[in-house]
Amino acid sequence: NAGVTQTPKFQVLKTGQSMTLQCAQDMNHNSMYWYRQDPGMGLRLIYYSASEGTTDKGEVPNGYNVSRLNKREFSLRLESAAPSQTSVYFCASSEWGVVGEQYFGPGTRLTVT
Amino acid sequence: AQSVTQLDSHVSVSEGTPVLLRCNYSSSYSPSLFWYVQHPNKGLQLLLKYTSAATLVKGINGFEAEFKKSETSFHLTKPSAHMSDAAEYFCVVSGITGNQFYFGTGTSLTVIP
Repeated sequence: NAGVTQTPKFQVLKTGQSMTLQCAQDMNHNSMYWYRQDPGMGLRLIYYSASEGTTDKGEVPNGYNVSRLNKREFSLRLESAAPSQTSVYFCASSEWGVVGEQYFGPGTRLTVT
Repeated sequence: AQSVTQLDSHVSVSEGTPVLLRCNYSSSYSPSLFWYVQHPNKGLQLLLKYTSAATLVKGINGFEAEFKKSETSFHLTKPSAHMSDAAEYFCVVSGITGNQFYFGTGTSLTVIP
């Protein structure tokens, strides 16, 4: 039981390049989330998916798109990376009815130069 | 609107002494509240949660938190710090829909041998 997995672990992009961060969970959870973590700012929600087939914006969605491919997988895409998107990205999942008990992946450290 | 304020960005304690990490929240409804821990270069792990049941909540690794509505606080305590407690701690409040979560900026706990 791997829990929540994220790929890649590290990535360096040049300004304007695109990339997709992948996330998968094997706990049969309905809800999945993407956060970014910046020094001194805690975690901020980018997008979430309450269930397969639905996605909603969080606090900081600009510059990102998401796809809930199936119940297991939730990807985050940067279409044209900017230095302001340098951050650590975390994916999380949770069950319906278990408010707030999120399970987090190990994170992806992204640097945009 | 809901928000979380962690009153200390950094706390240092000696091994074996009590730990107090302070969290105040603001919410227009009765929220759920959580504490998560993040060890270096790791994802986040749930320590404990309050979801309108008992106001004193026990979590993993000997941590407790008390929900005080009159003070809008949810402080995290532990009677005796251990070296392995050194980590970043986040206080989190749920959004009104239960699908969004708002993180504090974190408190870094150092345990001195």
